[in-house]
Amino acid sequence: QQPVQSPQAVILREGEDAVINCSSSKALYSVHWYRQKHGEAPVFLMILLKGGEQKGHDKISASFNEKKQQSSLYLTASQLSYSGTYFCGTEGLGTDKLIFGTGTRLQVFP
Amino acid sequence: SAVISQKPSRDICQRGTSLTIQCQVDSQVTMMFWYRQQPGQSLTLIATANQGSEATYESGFVIDKFPISRPNLTFSTLTVSNMSPEDSSIYLCSVERGPYEQYFGPGTRLTVT
Repeated sequence: QQPVQSPQAVILREGEDAVINCSSSKALYSVHWYRQKHGEAPVFLMILLKGGEQKGHDKISASFNEKKQQSSLYLTASQLSYSGTYFCGTEGLGTDKLIFGTGTRLQVFP
Repeated sequence: SAVISQKPSRDICQRGTSLTIQCQVDSQVTMMFWYRQQPGQSLTLIATANQGSEATYESGFVIDKFPISRPNLTFSTLTVSNMSPEDSSIYLCSVERGPYEQYFGPGTRLTVT
């Protein structure tokens, strides 16, 4: 079953923060986060493995709560370049494939 | 990261015909994946292609409609057979590189008239 992301869309001003959530109904081994700009391929951002770790890359970080089968992506001090659609990809236990979430469209304005 | 190319980048095809999409990777990879993305939608996994074995298809996708070849560790093809307008979509291949990371090709935009 497809993971559900919330919110569906976010509009920000430069410098504002945002949180994108990803929720799965299945037990997860890992959660991947991708950003896709219009007309382009998805770009890998980060992966979180089972174990409840939190990762960060510049001003983008994420957390993974394996017990709740949820992950959150945190974007701080947003930049214009953050605009795009964000997808989580979840990998279930014992599988080698990603199931992508419903997507969150993020728009950052000056 | 990985350098992935796809051919063609886009095509317009007539109903009932078939199109073969090629995916080339810059180095050897074990697993390759084929996805479909309809306009404004998420990515849907079609099948997983491992070299030397039959592709594994997801629910709703069958080999007769989407035959896949994986002749070596750097190349794969996906054929969309007997096309209908409902097959209009973007088709992307991806590879697993490094532990758990997937990288996507630029995609093939298919329009069926």
